[in-house]
Amino acid sequence: DIQMTQSPSSLSASVGDRVTITCRTSQTINNFLNWYQQKPGKAPKLLIYAASTLQSGVPSRFSGSGSGTDFTLTISSLQPEDFATYYCQQSYTTPPLTFGGGTKVEIK
Amino acid sequence: QVQLQESGPGLVKPSGTLSLTCAVSGGSISSSNWWTWVRQSPGKGLEWIGEMYHSGSTNYNPSLKSRVTISVDKSTNHFSLKLSSVTAADTAVYFCARKRYYDRSGGAFDIWGQGTLVVVSS
Repeated sequence: DIQMTQSPSSLSASVGDRVTITCRTSQTINNFLNWYQQKPGKAPKLLIYAASTLQSGVPSRFSGSGSGTDFTLTISSLQPEDFATYYCQQSYTTPPLTFGGGTKVEIK
Repeated sequence: QVQLQESGPGLVKPSGTLSLTCAVSGGSISSSNWWTWVRQSPGKGLEWIGEMYHSGSTNYNPSLKSRVTISVDKSTNHFSLKLSSVTAADTAVYFCARKRYYDRSGGAFDIWGQGTLVVVSS
C-alpha cells in the first residue's frame, strides 16, 4: 500500500494568513494526488486533482503543487470558511486508494 | 447535476451484515465512472472501502476484502455495499462517492453523498 503522510496534523492560523499543508507518499505517484476539504458533519469536497488542477468552482486562493512523492496544498489568504480539515489522497494505485491522515486548520 | 444519497439501517448488531444503498440521480450509473464507498470512523480519517464499474469490475480494500461486496443495479440506478461479520470497529459514517477520471491523472472523488452513520451495537 502507498502510505500518505500529511503534516502538520493541525495548525492554527488567522484570517488572511498564507497556509501550507504538505503530503508525502511512500513511493512515487507522479501527479496522481488529490486534495479534499471536509467541514464537520459534511462530506469531503474535492478541491484539487492531479496535484495542481483546481476543481471547478473552487476559489483561486487554493493551489496545489508537487510531483513524485512530495506535494503541497496552499491557501494564499485564509478565509473564515476555510477552517476545516484537509486530506490528500493518492489515485496512482488501487487497491487500495489511500488518504492522508488529515490536517485540521483552526482559528488562532 | 449528479447527486448521491445513501440509505440503510443506522444500527447493525455485531456479527451481522451492514447493508447500504446509494441512489444516483441526475445521471446514469452506466456512465464512465467508478462508484465508490468510503468510511470515516468517529473522529478519524477517511478509509476507502472499494469501488465498482458498471461493467461489473470491482476493487476492494485488501483490509476488508473478505467481508465486502459492492454491486450495481443499472435498472434502478443504485449501487450497494454489504459488509459482513461486523464489529464495533465498523462503526462509522459511510459515504458513497463517484470517482471520475481526468486527463493525464488518476481518478478523483468529485461527487459525494451526505454520508450515513452506522453504529454496530447489540
